[in-house]
Amino acid sequence: AQSVSQHNHHVILSEAASLELGCNYSYGGTVNLFWYVQYPGQHLQLLLKYFSGDPLVKGIKGFEAEFIKSKFSFNLRKPSVQWSDTAEYFCAAYSSASKIIFGSGTRLSIRP
Amino acid sequence: AAGVIQSPRHLIKEKRETATLKCYPIPRHDTVYWYQQGPGQDPQFLISFYEKMQSDKGSIPDRFSAQQFSDYHSELNMSSLELGDSALYFCASSLTGGATDTYFGPGTRLTVL
Repeated sequence: AQSVSQHNHHVILSEAASLELGCNYSYGGTVNLFWYVQYPGQHLQLLLKYFSGDPLVKGIKGFEAEFIKSKFSFNLRKPSVQWSDTAEYFCAAYSSASKIIFGSGTRLSIRP
Repeated sequence: AAGVIQSPRHLIKEKRETATLKCYPIPRHDTVYWYQQGPGQDPQFLISFYEKMQSDKGSIPDRFSAQQFSDYHSELNMSSLELGDSALYFCASSLTGGATDTYFGPGTRLTVL
């Protein structure tokens, strides 16, 4: 069965540090990949998505992600985090069964 | 632009009561998905509808049922509520089941006491 894995459950960084959150998916066919952010008490917001083309995808709020097919990875990056980036981050994939499946999420805490 | 609308935004129920959550998709979207997100958990797919027919089913308890109406809005009916049903319930909509334009609603936070 298709799955999305996020191995970092909780990441703590200082402001201005660089961020990389790991995401791996298990599916050999065409993949559509997403990163969503959920601020405390809020709903899911789409950060970026990849369907085809340039494997380096730029999203909102300075986030980007790189699709590496050979590694089945879609890691999220940001060169310099801010306190306001404190949130839960979910990697997701659009499965062949026509629904979005989510990873377990990574909680990002930023020290001011 | 219009987004996915969910009502109510917050709901408090007692054990064994029933609850109905509503989802109004983005205009012209014909596919609706329901997700359940427990405290500290990732969203779990419950059920989806395309053109008023159930298109996929996930980990939805038998106590829950859902349908999509002719105007494409959807309702999630939950009966014999249990404490463990307390969660954030998201609805999402898309056009013809396409991932390219799947949008999530703000969610309904259900608390079962």
